[in-house]
Amino acid sequence: DAGITQSPRHKVTETGTPVTLRCHQTENHRYMYWYRQDPGHGLRLIHYSYGVKDTDKGEVSDGYSVSRSKTEDFLLTLESATSSQTSVYFCAIRDSETQYFGPGTRLLVL
Amino acid sequence: AQSVTQLGSHVSVSEGALVLLRCNYSSSVPPYLFWYVQYPNQGLQLLLKYTSAATLVKGINGFEAEFKKSETSFHLTKPSAHMSDAAEYFCATRGSSNTGKLIFGQGTTLQVKP
Repeated sequence: DAGITQSPRHKVTETGTPVTLRCHQTENHRYMYWYRQDPGHGLRLIHYSYGVKDTDKGEVSDGYSVSRSKTEDFLLTLESATSSQTSVYFCAIRDSETQYFGPGTRLLVL
Repeated sequence: AQSVTQLGSHVSVSEGALVLLRCNYSSSVPPYLFWYVQYPNQGLQLLLKYTSAATLVKGINGFEAEFKKSETSFHLTKPSAHMSDAAEYFCATRGSSNTGKLIFGQGTTLQVKP
């Protein structure tokens, strides 16, 4: 257990509304990641962070923003949710060369 | 660009039979390779990893994988399937940059029949 929690675990929202997902870690890891999981695509990287206020884009970053004001929290924001953002979102931390994943957030955009 | 291909989106075996899940990678540098397992409605759990030490890697729950550079493969095996092995399995490689980001295969769902 890498001490990673995600909130909320489930969310239903409407198209056009803003949504923020939270990832919290308890072990002071420098690197944190947000992925989305969709059938047939595995997991794809949205954004990642390499320190407080240090973030960068992944391969599917359009429509998403992130913030990291504290080491332990990494927030993912959908500024205006769309149906194509219906997915399962996973946060991960990096410990040496290995990533460990949180339990996921299941998001449904109607 | 690095990539990972998992051959077969669904694999079905009988309980007690050999499990073989295939993974091929492309990389211009010596890779780090990982297998993760995902049980229904859960996050991903690390099964095993290859980091350029021994080519035969043993993981949890009786799984192992062999790194074969000549075949650019990292197939996952288990001699005898259990019902509890039914899950989705992901092969991944670490990108070549210092970001440590993972590149995943599409996933293989393992079904175990009684």
